[in-house]
Amino acid sequence: EPEVTQTPSHQVTQMGQEVILRCVPISNHLYFYWYRQILGQKVEFLVSFYNNEISEKSEIFDDQFSVERPDGSNFTLKIRSTKLEDSAMYFCASRLRDYSYEQYFGPGTRLTVT
Amino acid sequence: AQSVTQLGSHVSVSEGALVLLRCNYSSSVPPYLFWYVQYPNQGLQLLLKYTSAATLVKGINGFEAEFKKSETSFHLTKPSAHMSDAAEYFCAVNRNTGFQKLVFGTGTRLLVSP
Repeated sequence: EPEVTQTPSHQVTQMGQEVILRCVPISNHLYFYWYRQILGQKVEFLVSFYNNEISEKSEIFDDQFSVERPDGSNFTLKIRSTKLEDSAMYFCASRLRDYSYEQYFGPGTRLTVT
Repeated sequence: AQSVTQLGSHVSVSEGALVLLRCNYSSSVPPYLFWYVQYPNQGLQLLLKYTSAATLVKGINGFEAEFKKSETSFHLTKPSAHMSDAAEYFCAVNRNTGFQKLVFGTGTRLLVSP
């Protein structure tokens, strides 16, 4: 069964460093999402991406964040200058098309900023 | 705006007992509703979804949920708990239009004792 994959599973970085979190969505899906979950808190929407552009973003998704689909398979989330409060589990999700409702989530990348 | 409230951050049941996890939603438009399960150190797996068809929705692993518009609820039930059901359960809502970002509740941790 097709699945969303994410790499790395765990990333440790120092404050102020740039990180790139990578996701490979399910191959024929058209909509892509990033969510994050700070330890012990709820899952929060960051950004949605469709047709090679951001379709919606939350207030969390400030200028330090960017997303890209550099080729036909990868979907990346970049944090330019990490802060301690960026420590969280980051989930990528994808959805097939307009009238499909299920978002399929990857296993997540745990980002630890020290 | 949409929101979800999950009553009870922890629910404890004995193996074989009824599982009831509560979810109430707020939405200015007809909602789509979802229950996701998260096992330790894993991603989010869709249990079931309501997308304006039948109000009683059956999902995987014997779970079901009933959409009650008058009560703005979408509670998750399972007649008989199994040890393997121990996990975190998240209720989520999205609009039935647009890019369909998910808005999650704070989650309920289900503990199952022998």
